[in-house]
Amino acid sequence: DQQVKQNSPSLSVQEGRISILNCDYTNSMFDYFLWYKKYPAEGPTFLISISSIKDKNEDGRFTVFLNKSAKHLSLHIVPSQPGDSAVYFCAAGSQGGSEKLVFGKGTKLTVNP
Amino acid sequence: NAGVMQNPRHLVRRRGQEARLRCSPMKGHSHVYWYRQLPEEGLKFMVYLQKENIIDESGMPKERFSAEFPKEGPSILRIQQVVRGDSAAYFCASSPLKQTFDEQFFGPGTRLTVL
Repeated sequence: DQQVKQNSPSLSVQEGRISILNCDYTNSMFDYFLWYKKYPAEGPTFLISISSIKDKNEDGRFTVFLNKSAKHLSLHIVPSQPGDSAVYFCAAGSQGGSEKLVFGKGTKLTVNP
Repeated sequence: NAGVMQNPRHLVRRRGQEARLRCSPMKGHSHVYWYRQLPEEGLKFMVYLQKENIIDESGMPKERFSAEFPKEGPSILRIQQVVRGDSAAYFCASSPLKQTFDEQFFGPGTRLTVL
């Protein structure tokens, strides 16, 4: 039973364009959401997060949008750069609940020069 | 300030052997989490430990797997009598405080291959 779903295993975009990565969740107890970036043979690196009390959080080229009614979040990267090519994981947690994060399966982003 | 350290980075074991994976958290971090990533899957939570205590082991298989985080030294994830299905990347994360999700830093992982 996957509580966090990333339905696109891969995404390819041109350098300079926008990358949009999507994530859906099913557990209403989740109230904190994170995006991680992962290169091969390395651990995940925290990118950006959002609390359920917000619907948008922005950090430089990265923006995360949260739609609680749809249980959907997305990560926008603009403009995309070749160095952004990596696997992106969406993760969810419950503040005040368990310590664990629940991860999606990841989306492999390729940014073509 | 060194990041989360894991060793070995690669470990090869034959079926039936034991695997010991080590995780040294970042300096000042007293909370350790272990996750497993099977091929083509996301990371799955296994266990959460504080110094000398297992807080949540709900993701740990009931048999053959154990974890500890002693007062001194690294956290150890131990897998006894390994089977081929244990082949995966095992990641450790640490954080300074409880439920500081943004400050849960991951190590580079140990890739276990069971022959």
